[in-house]
Amino acid sequence: KAGVTQTPRYLIKTRGQQVTLSCSPISGHRSVSWYQQTPGQGLQFLFEYFSETQRNKGNFPGRFSGRQFSNSRSEMNVSTLELGDSALYLCASSLSGQGGNIQYFGAGTRLSVL
Amino acid sequence: SQQGEEDPQALSIQEGENATMNCSYKTSINNLQWYRQNSGRGLVHLILIRSNEREKHSGRLRVTLDTSKKSSSLLITASRAADTASYFCATDAKGSNYQLIWGAGTKLIIKP
Repeated sequence: KAGVTQTPRYLIKTRGQQVTLSCSPISGHRSVSWYQQTPGQGLQFLFEYFSETQRNKGNFPGRFSGRQFSNSRSEMNVSTLELGDSALYLCASSLSGQGGNIQYFGAGTRLSVL
Repeated sequence: SQQGEEDPQALSIQEGENATMNCSYKTSINNLQWYRQNSGRGLVHLILIRSNEREKHSGRLRVTLDTSKKSSSLLITASRAADTASYFCATDAKGSNYQLIWGAGTKLIIKP
C-alpha cells in the first residue's frame, strides 16, 4: 500500500500570499488530520476531516482552512500568510479517526514565508 | 494547551545504554501513543497502550502506563545510533471527541 503523500514538499511564499497544501491518505483511510510543527513546539493540531466533514478543529485563526474530497484526499489552505506561518505542515491519515487509531504521517510540506 | 508533557526535553546517552523518557498528562485518557520522528523516516507510530493496560512491549521498546499518576514511560533498551530521534507521546483524552493531544517531545541523541 502506498503511504501518505503530501505535496509539495517545499514551498516558499511571501507575506500576504495564500497557499494550498495537498494530502493523499492511505487507501481506505477516511480520516485526515493536519498539524503544524515548529521547532521546539511539538505538533499543534489544526483540524481533522472524516468523510468530507470537519470533525475537530484546533486553536488556529480562520486564515487556516481545509477540506476533504469524496476520495478522502484533503487540502489545507492558508490565506494572508504571515512570517509566523513558516513551519512544517504534517498530514496524518487513519482508518476512522484519531481516537484509538494509529496515525500514519506523510513526509510533510515545509513552508517558508519571507 | 498540551495534554502530554515529555520529560526530559533532551537526552544524550552512549550507544548500548538504555534510554527512558516520560510523559505526563492532565486528564483521564482512553489510550496513549508514542511516536518517533527522525529526518529519515518522518513521524512513525511506535506503540499504543490503552487505559486498562499497564505495560506493552515491542522489540527493544517497553511502554508502561500508570493512570493513577497520569504518566507513561518509554524505555528503549540497548540503544543504537538509529534510535537518535525525537519521541512524542499523544493522548486520547476522555471527552476530547477523540482528538489526540501531543507533547513537545524528547530529543534523544545516541553517541557512538
